[in-house]
Amino acid sequence: EAQVTQNPRYLITVTGKKLTVTCSQNMNHEYMSWYRQDPGLGLRQIYYSMNVEVTDKGDVPEGYKVSRKEKRNFPLILESPSPNQTSLYFCASSAGSRGYTFGSGTRLTVV
Amino acid sequence: AQSVSQHNHHVILSEAASLELGCNYSYGGTVNLFWYVQYPGQHLQLLLKYFSGDPLVKGIKGFEAEFIKSKFSFNLRKPSVQWSDTAEYFCAVIPGGSQGNLIFGKGTKLSVKP
Repeated sequence: EAQVTQNPRYLITVTGKKLTVTCSQNMNHEYMSWYRQDPGLGLRQIYYSMNVEVTDKGDVPEGYKVSRKEKRNFPLILESPSPNQTSLYFCASSAGSRGYTFGSGTRLTVV
Repeated sequence: AQSVSQHNHHVILSEAASLELGCNYSYGGTVNLFWYVQYPGQHLQLLLKYFSGDPLVKGIKGFEAEFIKSKFSFNLRKPSVQWSDTAEYFCAVIPGGSQGNLIFGKGTKLSVKP
């Protein structure tokens, strides 16, 4: 089944403790992206990647890092999480501009 | 600034009422347009999309949307809503028609009363 898999689904962590949210797609898509969803703000793009070793900032990149060493994986790294990064995170992938597949989401709480 | 605007933050309807959710974008030139739905506690699912051709697009679950280029609009419609349509709806745009940023509106929450 074609899908985007994110892990974990839920995560509670403390301020400053580094964490990684994994994202993997099995569709051989070149394009991958991370969004955060906050009430009243919709989905805002954090980072995206057009291909392996090619990443770029989205609208809200501060406090996040990404890497794209393989086509299928696009992890989101929070080096020093803060409470304002408490949010619902979605990974997405696409083969082009004709459609995006979203992961199931990761609900992160930073206390 | 370039953006996607959804006019209604929260819409409350009774079952069988007709639905229209507004979406306007501010990008010139070619755009690819999408409507996504997010049911409570779930991830985003694609309702419908427009790339070119017939500006009236039919999607899943009886939804349709009309692209009006002159108005930079892509409104979502459904003739008769059901309680199960309760969800949040997001309009999204890819400017320029090329792979790249999928820009979302802030979403419209739809509550359907049984």
